[in-house]
Amino acid sequence: DAKTTQPPSMDCAEGRAANLPCNHSTISGNEYVYWYRQIHSQGPQYIIHGLKNNETNEMASLIITEDRKSSTLILPHATLRDTAVYYCIASSLIQGAQKLVFGQGTRLTINP
Amino acid sequence: KAGVTQTPRYLIKTRGQQVTLSCSPISGHRSVSWYQQTPGQGLQFLFEYFSETQRNKGNFPGRFSGRQFSNSRSEMNVSTLELGDSALYLCASSLGDRGPGGGYTFGSGTRLTVV
Repeated sequence: DAKTTQPPSMDCAEGRAANLPCNHSTISGNEYVYWYRQIHSQGPQYIIHGLKNNETNEMASLIITEDRKSSTLILPHATLRDTAVYYCIASSLIQGAQKLVFGQGTRLTINP
Repeated sequence: KAGVTQTPRYLIKTRGQQVTLSCSPISGHRSVSWYQQTPGQGLQFLFEYFSETQRNKGNFPGRFSGRQFSNSRSEMNVSTLELGDSALYLCASSLGDRGPGGGYTFGSGTRLTVV
C-alpha cells in the first residue's frame, strides 16, 4: 500500500471549515483513499473514502486531485467534538481483503 | 444496531502468561481484523479473518494468533507475554466480501497491561 504523508498537527476555529491535506504520491490505480479519525481512548471511526472522484457524506467531503497524488478532507463546520487524530490511508481491496496501514495522522484541535 | 463488542475492556497480566481477547462483530459482518496500538508504534495491523480463515497477516511474531468462529466472532491470543505487548488491542469488522464502501467499524478496544 502507498505511503501517505500528513502534517502532524493542525488547529481550526470552531465553526470554520477544517481542511486536512494528505499526500500519496505513489498511490496505485487500484488503491482507494480512506479517512478515519480517532478520538481519545476510542477506536478509529470511518469517515469517508474515494477512488478518483470527489465524495461527500454527512460527515465530510473528500477532494482528490486529478493525478490522485494528494487529497484533502474537509469538515465543513468544525465543532469541538471534531478534535481528534485524523488518518489518511491508501489501501487496495483484493477480493474483499484489506489491511489498513495507519501512519501517524494529523492531530486536529478545534478551538472555541 | 449493536456495534463491535470487545471483551474485556481492561486486562492486567504478568510476563510469561498468555491472554485471550474476544471480539463480536456487527451482525452480518464476516470480516474481523485486529490491530495493536502503542504510543511508540501507533496502529499496526495484526491479522484479518474472513469466514473462519486468516486472509491477511501483519508482521508480528508467532506468539500472536487468532481464530474466527462460524458465527464470525473472533478471538486473539498472545502467548508468553512480554512487557512490550502492553497496548490497546482493537478489533474491526466489515462485510468483507464486497466493495470498499462503508469502511471498517472499530470496537473500543481492550487495554492490556503486562507487568
